[in-house]
Amino acid sequence: NAGVTQTPKFQVLKTGQSMTLQCAQDMNHNSMYWYRQDPGMGLRLIYYSASEGTTDKGEVPNGYNVSRLNKREFSLRLESAAPSQTSVYFCASNPGGETQYFGPGTRLLVL
Amino acid sequence: QKEVEQDPGPLSVPEGAIVSLNCTYSNSAFQYFMWYRQYSRKGPELLMYTYSSGNKEDGRFTAQVDKSSKYISLFIRDSQPSDSATYLCAMSALSGGYNKLIFGAGTRLAVHP
Repeated sequence: NAGVTQTPKFQVLKTGQSMTLQCAQDMNHNSMYWYRQDPGMGLRLIYYSASEGTTDKGEVPNGYNVSRLNKREFSLRLESAAPSQTSVYFCASNPGGETQYFGPGTRLLVL
Repeated sequence: QKEVEQDPGPLSVPEGAIVSLNCTYSNSAFQYFMWYRQYSRKGPELLMYTYSSGNKEDGRFTAQVDKSSKYISLFIRDSQPSDSATYLCAMSALSGGYNKLIFGAGTRLAVHP
């Protein structure tokens, strides 16, 4: 049982490049989330998916898109990366209730 | 003003000390209160979870919620070097049809031998 996995672990992009961050969970959870973590800002919600086939915006969705491919997988896409998107990105899943289980994170540097 | 305020530290204590970590919040709709621990370059992991006011104890850890003061605390007794991590408070309220989780910025703790 791997829990929540994320790929890649680290990525460097140039401004304007695109990329997709992958997330998968093997706990059969309905809800999945994407957060970004910046120094002094805590974790901020980008997008979430309450169930397979649904997605909704969180606190900071601009510049991102998401796809809930199936119950296991939830991807985050940056269409045209900007230096302001330099951050650590965490995926999380939730079985119902308030607790969330986090992946190990993807560190993204946009030059 | 942020919904959840947390002193970023860093907090440095000797091994065996009692540690007190705190958060204040402004939204009286919060009902669920959590503490997450995050080791360097890792994802947050749930440490403690409480509902409404009161205390909850789990081994060396005690979570305390005072809803009248909008203040939550995490106490660590007999702190160990392995407790060195960033501690994030988080609070939950129903918003727009889902349970919205709001995190504090995190307090960095270092326990030295």
